Amino acid sequence: DTGVSQDPRHKITKRGQNVTFRCDPISEHNRLYWYRQTLGQGPEFLTYFQNEAQLEKSRLLSDRFSAERPKGSFSTLEIQRTEQGDSAMYLCASSSGTSGGPFKGEQYFGPGTRLTVT
Amino acid sequence: DAKTTQPNSMESNEEEPVHLPCNHSTISGTDYIHWYRQLPSQGPEYVIHGLTSNVNNRMASLAIAEDRKSSTLILHRATLRDAAVYYCILRDVGNTGFQKLVFGTGTRLLVSP
Repeated sequence: DTGVSQDPRHKITKRGQNVTFRCDPISEHNRLYWYRQTLGQGPEFLTYFQNEAQLEKSRLLSDRFSAERPKGSFSTLEIQRTEQGDSAMYLCASSSGTSGGPFKGEQYFGPGTRLTVT
Repeated sequence: DAKTTQPNSMESNEEEPVHLPCNHSTISGTDYIHWYRQLPSQGPEYVIHGLTSNVNNRMASLAIAEDRKSSTLILHRATLRDAAVYYCILRDVGNTGFQKLVFGTGTRLLVSP
C-alpha cells in the first residue's frame, strides 16, 4: 500500500493529557499537510511542511500544538494539555511539487486519527 | 479566503447522472477549482480540478461557466459507492506560494438503489 498512513486511527484521552499522532506520507511526496475536521464540517488547514521545513501555520494551531517533520519523511502532531474542544478527526495529506509556483495537482489524504478527549 | 457555496444535500438514483453545483462568485483569475469527495469514515479523495475549460477524467466531468463564477461536477452514472460529501474548493495561495485547501461544508450526495 503506497498511500498516506496515519497512526493511531483512534485515540481516547483524558483532558490534560498529551497526545501524539504520526503521519507517513507517500514516499516521493515532499509536501505534507495537517488538517482538523470536526463533526459536520469540512477539514480545516492546520499546518504545512515542505520537506522538513514548516512553512505555514494556521491561527488554529495554538501554542499547545506542535508539528514536526524531522527528516522530511514522516511527521508528528503533538497536542499538549488536551481540552475537550480538541476532539476531532486529524487528517494528514501529502502532495508532490516544486518549490514556489502554482500547485495544480492533488493532495492525497490519509484515513485520519479520531481524537476523543473525555 | 475565497468562498464557495454548495447545496447541503442532493439525492440521486443509482445509474442516473448527477449534477453537483457550486457557486464561487469571488473567484480570482488564477484560482483553480478543485473537487474532492469524502466517503464515510475516510479522508477526502481528489476528484477533479480545472481552471477555465471543461475537464474530464475517469471519475467525473467538470463544467466551468464562462465567467467562472460557478461550476458543476458531473457524475455520469451514479453508483452506491458515490454516496459521499462532495467539496468544491478554490485553491488558496499562502504567502509562500503553497496551496492549502479551504473546505466548506460540501454537498452530501445520497444515492438510492
